[in-house]
Amino acid sequence: DTEVTQTPKHLVMGMTNKKSLKCEQHMGHRAMYWYKQKAKKPPELMFVYSYEKLSINESVPSRFSPECPNSSLLNLHLHALQPEDSALYLCASSWLADPGEGYEQYFGPGTRLTVT
Amino acid sequence: GQQVMQIPQYQHVQEGEDFTTYCNSSTTLSNIQWYKQRPGGHPVFLIQLVKSGEVKKQKRLTFQFGEAKKNSSLHITATQTTDVGTYFCRYGGTSYGKLTFGQGTILTVHP
Repeated sequence: DTEVTQTPKHLVMGMTNKKSLKCEQHMGHRAMYWYKQKAKKPPELMFVYSYEKLSINESVPSRFSPECPNSSLLNLHLHALQPEDSALYLCASSWLADPGEGYEQYFGPGTRLTVT
Repeated sequence: GQQVMQIPQYQHVQEGEDFTTYCNSSTTLSNIQWYKQRPGGHPVFLIQLVKSGEVKKQKRLTFQFGEAKKNSSLHITATQTTDVGTYFCRYGGTSYGKLTFGQGTILTVHP
């Protein structure tokens, strides 16, 4: 199974809402990632978890709160978002995290988030 | 600091024409990966290059890593409409730090 799943596919939320994005992989990967992608732009790294511990936070605002309950699951908790946070949120996993040789990343289909 | 340019930003071709995208760095790269993202889809890993002068082929796709490990290219021979999408390089610096995505090349193929 080389699939990364994400739920929900689409999410519309108001600026005062609290919601969560979920990601799951069963490939035994020990690194999991959250990316934000705007239209016609590359994925922008937000967080990296390595062995279930947060290893990289790319200075992401605190209204985004990641969580890694176990080696297969990754959540992104959202609170008091702004309209400019509307984007495609991608989860990815890899065998291990960079630094290192560089490992192939497997991406989920993403959650299309709209903040109103 | 490290600067990597991916060019061109956009490429429109007629079906059957060839296509090339480049990632060019001001400093030596440790490795480079290539991904394809179809419209409305997510990035999908294509290949990783690690060695100086490395060339790898996948059917109509040819990937190269320069001798100085400062540039890389992805070449598609005889494009098909299924090749439509955005091609990203993802590169690492010599410190083997985290890898970073290039800006991407958006390929349109006209039938």
